[in-house]
Amino acid sequence: DAGVIQSPRHEVTEMGQEVTLRCKPISGHNSLFWYRQTMMRGLELLIYFNNNVPIDDSGMPEDRFSAKMPNASFSTLKIQPSEPRDSAVYFCASSYRGRNYGYTFGSGTRLTVV
Amino acid sequence: KNEVEQSPQNLTAQEGEFITINCSYSVGISALHWLQQHPGGGIVSLFMLSSGKKKHGRLIATINIQEKHSSLHITASHPRDSAVYICAVTSSNYKLTFGKGTLLTVNP
Repeated sequence: DAGVIQSPRHEVTEMGQEVTLRCKPISGHNSLFWYRQTMMRGLELLIYFNNNVPIDDSGMPEDRFSAKMPNASFSTLKIQPSEPRDSAVYFCASSYRGRNYGYTFGSGTRLTVV
Repeated sequence: KNEVEQSPQNLTAQEGEFITINCSYSVGISALHWLQQHPGGGIVSLFMLSSGKKKHGRLIATINIQEKHSSLHITASHPRDSAVYICAVTSSNYKLTFGKGTLLTVNP
């Protein structure tokens, strides 16, 4: 397995533009997580899916952020409109709920909003 | 107060030294994780444990459930061990809560 695959690795966009981050979890994993990492706040959970259903989106900062998981092999995190304070590294991770499996993280997307 | 507290925040060691990073948590957990992140890099899971001790190469992780405390030890440290080490706990809903991380620098 190639692991959790995120794209793009780097994204630079202008304030106000729409940004879409993508994640392909490990095949067979049924839980998917989006995390954001900043210097000030460290790692924060944004949203958590189980079996493609959003279970906990309490970490989503505001309505500008939305996430979808249309099937077990793909998820997107969208920011519209983007703002400079959204600049961060966004990580996707997957796991298998129901067994004591660890988490596998993607390489992250470094987002810069100018 | 954070649910997961790590200490120290920063740690500098000389190559070959024995290193300990501590983690305390205040919530009920199903598992505790130690993660490693190199500067500008991704996050790698080192250990997941719910009791006792685990060892992988020069790394050892222990957990005391009663005291809600875990330690990560590195024996014979090497400059390539320089990274941020993050403690995280999993609650019953399987989401991770992270500590702030410990920045380890091992000098040659």
